[in-house]
Amino acid sequence: EIVMTQSPATLSVSPGERATLSCRASQSVSTNLAWLQQKPGQAPRLLIYGASTRATGVPARFSGSGSGIEFTLTISSLQSEDFAVYYCQQYNNWLRVSFGQGTKVEIK
Amino acid sequence: DVQLVESGGGLVKPGGSLRLSCAASGFTFSSYGMNWVRQAPGKGLEWVSSISGISSYIYYADSVKGRFTISRDNAKNSLYLQINSLTAEDTAVYYCARDLYWGQGTLVTVSS
Repeated sequence: EIVMTQSPATLSVSPGERATLSCRASQSVSTNLAWLQQKPGQAPRLLIYGASTRATGVPARFSGSGSGIEFTLTISSLQSEDFAVYYCQQYNNWLRVSFGQGTKVEIK
Repeated sequence: DVQLVESGGGLVKPGGSLRLSCAASGFTFSSYGMNWVRQAPGKGLEWVSSISGISSYIYYADSVKGRFTISRDNAKNSLYLQINSLTAEDTAVYYCARDLYWGQGTLVTVSS
């Protein structure tokens, strides 16, 4: 089982500031890594796949980087609608996916 | 467009059973492996079970092994999860997912 670890658990950021979220895998997942955004009462929404490719309709302020075991999601200038919980998901094998525990981005 | 629509959730007593369904459309269902993922109230996402396109491979999380059964009917473009011997710890929103696509989820509440 591939264990995904996210940091920090909570990130307090002011609107307009940059946010950097980290995700580490217990073994290499190459670039088989997605970032999901979830708001209260909603299903997860795909932001990034392939570690760095934005999904359709995702604003350019969201960017992903990394490969192997270390990954980063950067939100360049936080907007009010970006305050949410973010999960990383590895899909090295689509039948054995796993998730990080989430990073909550809250208003400072 | 890919669409995944879950149904079958509800309130069930401890020890009870439910069958969750996921209706898929917008893609060739039999060509894709499918997953069930759950999220307990206030908690993170937990992978529950997976099944390959023609049911050759099936996997379960340790937390549900022996109690949950995943299946699919490719003729009906449908995915199922039979959940038995439910406990309060199984209370969660259950999502059907295909690689990068998610349904809206169905809520299972286990309470007496």
